[in-house]
Amino acid sequence: GENVEQHPSTLSVQEGDSAVIKCTYSDSASNYFPWYKQELGKRPQLIIDIRSNVGEKKDQRIAVTLNKTAKHFSLHITETQPEDSAVYFCAASFTGNQFYFGTGTSLTVIP
Amino acid sequence: GAVVSQHPSWVICKSGTSVKIECRSLDFQATTMFWYRQFPKQSLMLMATSNEGSKATYEQGVEKDKFLINHASLTLSTLTVTSAHPEDSSFYICSAASPGIEQYFGPGTRLTVT
Repeated sequence: GENVEQHPSTLSVQEGDSAVIKCTYSDSASNYFPWYKQELGKRPQLIIDIRSNVGEKKDQRIAVTLNKTAKHFSLHITETQPEDSAVYFCAASFTGNQFYFGTGTSLTVIP
Repeated sequence: GAVVSQHPSWVICKSGTSVKIECRSLDFQATTMFWYRQFPKQSLMLMATSNEGSKATYEQGVEKDKFLINHASLTLSTLTVTSAHPEDSSFYICSAASPGIEQYFGPGTRLTVT
């Protein structure tokens, strides 16, 4: 099955700085890569996703890049704000059938 | 976004009893529902994938006889933890999806087995 690794496990940044979280996957058949934000005690929420036919996608302060050859993808958050503090999970999926999650990154934005 | 509910939100049961958790998609028909388990401060572990009207597909290491999954309709899937033991205590989250519709998560169910 698919194996998704995520780094770092914890990340602290000053407000206004950028944060980068990286994931690698093992199954070259995976073609959909969503990112989720989970606040304490709440359900995961999709924040951005990318499909394998695209190399980069941006939504305001959030961007995701995908390198299919190297089988890794990254989440970039610019101009971080305290409300960005949460646990972020990457995931890999083949056409939306079965999602395999990374181990999570706890992001703390220091005011 | 779509709305997915889960019931109950938390449950405490005695060891050896069974517990049923319901997952409902409230405003769309979910052809696929996923069940995850999440330990404190850890990631979501996919337990099984269920498609409406067919048997669930379990991930390696997940006991299908212990975690019974039924996806009887396009809006309802249930997870029954049979003969629960303290090690089954965890946070169980479902999600619902359909072709062209992203995966939406339920709020989760906190199970405590005493």
